[in-house]
Amino acid sequence: GQNIDQPTEMTATEGAIVQINCTYQTSGFNGLFWYQQHAGEAPTFLSYNVLDGLEEKGRFSSFLSRSKGYSYLLLKELQMKDSASYLCAVRDLEDTDKLIFGTGTRLQVFP
Amino acid sequence: DADVTQTPRNRITKTGKRIMLECSQTKGHDRMYWYRQDPGLGLRLIYYSFDVKDINKGEISDGYSVSRQAQAKFSLSLESAIPNQTALYFCATSDLGQGEQETQYFGPGTRLLVL
Repeated sequence: GQNIDQPTEMTATEGAIVQINCTYQTSGFNGLFWYQQHAGEAPTFLSYNVLDGLEEKGRFSSFLSRSKGYSYLLLKELQMKDSASYLCAVRDLEDTDKLIFGTGTRLQVFP
Repeated sequence: DADVTQTPRNRITKTGKRIMLECSQTKGHDRMYWYRQDPGLGLRLIYYSFDVKDINKGEISDGYSVSRQAQAKFSLSLESAIPNQTALYFCATSDLGQGEQETQYFGPGTRLLVL
């Protein structure tokens, strides 16, 4: 079966670091995406991992361990505008390469 | 101008009515998708198309139909709307490439309320 788990909500303070975890179980694996979605808006692409390790993009980094079915999104130097939902999505090679989305983690950043 | 557009942005309709949601893209992508998003359930795939005339069911296709008559347009129809189809609907596109190039680009969404 296909299953992606993320925490439902997280809170953090402006300027801090937060790590959002994602675990997945899919028939096949062909890449993991992280998207950011502000309330009422479209999801926008943040990062992509297909090999084990860390990918860094400015304040955002994403890590993948394929053997553990685990990824995390690391947000540094948090800003108020980072308050949003963060969606983890896995491309399932065994399911026509479609994206399977987690339910998202709603992050609230406080001053 | 936005690369992926959806019309209408908001719609209120009554149970039993037929409605159509339109999606257009200027990205030149072959692949297009329709999702619905409900609180606590995340994005769920309704239908997808990898090329003109290619139609595939997603995980929740019952009660919906789609049409892909041109590369740039992908329409979603609710033949007889029911209240549990009240949701936020997103269209998305992607290209056939390698890795990050295959990310999906989402339209702004259509908020649908079925009374």
